[in-house]
Amino acid sequence: QQPVQSPQAVILREGEDAVINCSSSKALYSVHWYRQKHGEAPVFLMILLKGGEQKGHDKISASFNEKKQQSSLYLTASQLSYSGTYFCGTELKAGRRALTFGSGTRLQVQP
Amino acid sequence: SAVISQKPSRDICQRGTSLTIQCQVDSQVTMMFWYRQQPGQSLTLIATANQGSEATYESGFVIDKFPISRPNLTFSTLTVSNMSPEDSSIYLCSVEAGAGNTIYFGEGSWLTVV
Repeated sequence: QQPVQSPQAVILREGEDAVINCSSSKALYSVHWYRQKHGEAPVFLMILLKGGEQKGHDKISASFNEKKQQSSLYLTASQLSYSGTYFCGTELKAGRRALTFGSGTRLQVQP
Repeated sequence: SAVISQKPSRDICQRGTSLTIQCQVDSQVTMMFWYRQQPGQSLTLIATANQGSEATYESGFVIDKFPISRPNLTFSTLTVSNMSPEDSSIYLCSVEAGAGNTIYFGEGSWLTVV
């Protein structure tokens, strides 16, 4: 089952914050976040494993709520370079490594 | 991390023909996957390429249409057979590499079927 991402699209001004959510109806082992710019391949951002951990890298962080089977990606003080489509990929079983992707969230950061 | 090279990067193909896409990784990897991304859509897993055995296909994808080879731990091919315009997509090779369970993607092969 494909995870559900929200919102579908968001427009920000530079410096504003955004949250992208990814929800699954099934129990998850891990959630992977990617950013894809137009005409390019997806670029890995971070992975969260079952256990409800939170990770961060620079001004981008993410959390995984195991009880709700939901992950959120937090973009703080957005930059123009953050523009792109964000996908979450979910893994149901440990070790399978094959990901089921959400429909994506299109993020546009304007000056 | 891993450096994943795909060939061709782009191609325009005639309907009814077949095209083989190559994926080369700069290190040995256990897990290798093929995904499809139709225009404006998300990524869909086609199959897991297994070294030394037949690929494992996802629902909706069959070996006759998407034959896959995996002769060693650094290389795989995906063939898109008897192409139709509906096969126009980006085909992406991905691998698990490095520490931390990370899945990396190649640059993709952008196919247009006319």
